[in-house]
Amino acid sequence: GQNIDQPTEMTATEGAIVQINCTYQTSGFNGLFWYQQHAGEAPTFLSYNVLDGLEEKGRFSSFLSRSKGYSYLLLKELQMKDSASYLCVAADSNYQLIWGAGTKLIIKP
Amino acid sequence: GAVVSQHPSWVICKSGTSVKIECRSLDFQATTMFWYRQFPKQSLMLMATSNEGSKATYEQGVEKDKFLINHASLTLSTLTVTSAHPEDSSFYICSARGVGGGDTGELFFGEGSRLTVL
Repeated sequence: GQNIDQPTEMTATEGAIVQINCTYQTSGFNGLFWYQQHAGEAPTFLSYNVLDGLEEKGRFSSFLSRSKGYSYLLLKELQMKDSASYLCVAADSNYQLIWGAGTKLIIKP
Repeated sequence: GAVVSQHPSWVICKSGTSVKIECRSLDFQATTMFWYRQFPKQSLMLMATSNEGSKATYEQGVEKDKFLINHASLTLSTLTVTSAHPEDSSFYICSARGVGGGDTGELFFGEGSRLTVL
């Protein structure tokens, strides 16, 4: 079957760095997305990886290893506003999106 | 980035009535739109995939006669919740994928519509 695994909840300190891991199993693969979702709001696109390696975008970076079925989202210089759920989403061979349950990130002062 | 507008943001209705939610791509043409539902403290759940000019593809367990989806143009898709019941109360979100080359697969999300059925 197809599935996404990511931690349910993580806690980090303001100003620190946190890495949210995600493993996936899909029928074919057309890329991996990371979305940020604040409570009660729609998800916001953060990144898309389809090739192996690290993509850096400001304070956020995303990494992909297709051979390992593994991705991570790295958040640097954490701010209180980064407290949110982070969704790992994989696209299969038909571009069907397989959603993870999300990782709730709690930032403490 | 591209803009997707969803309307209404909030809707309260009586049990047994039907509610229509609109999803519009404002500055691009969307060949494919997706409809999701999110219950409190749960992840987004894909309900259906809507391609312009054809019938929507529903996910397993989603009743197509209850959740009517119409994607009549490249900028508009609608979701109608027919004969709504309290258990249909949820947050409904649409997203759209654009037309054209260089498609990164990026999806653009509407603001969401919170439905409360009394």
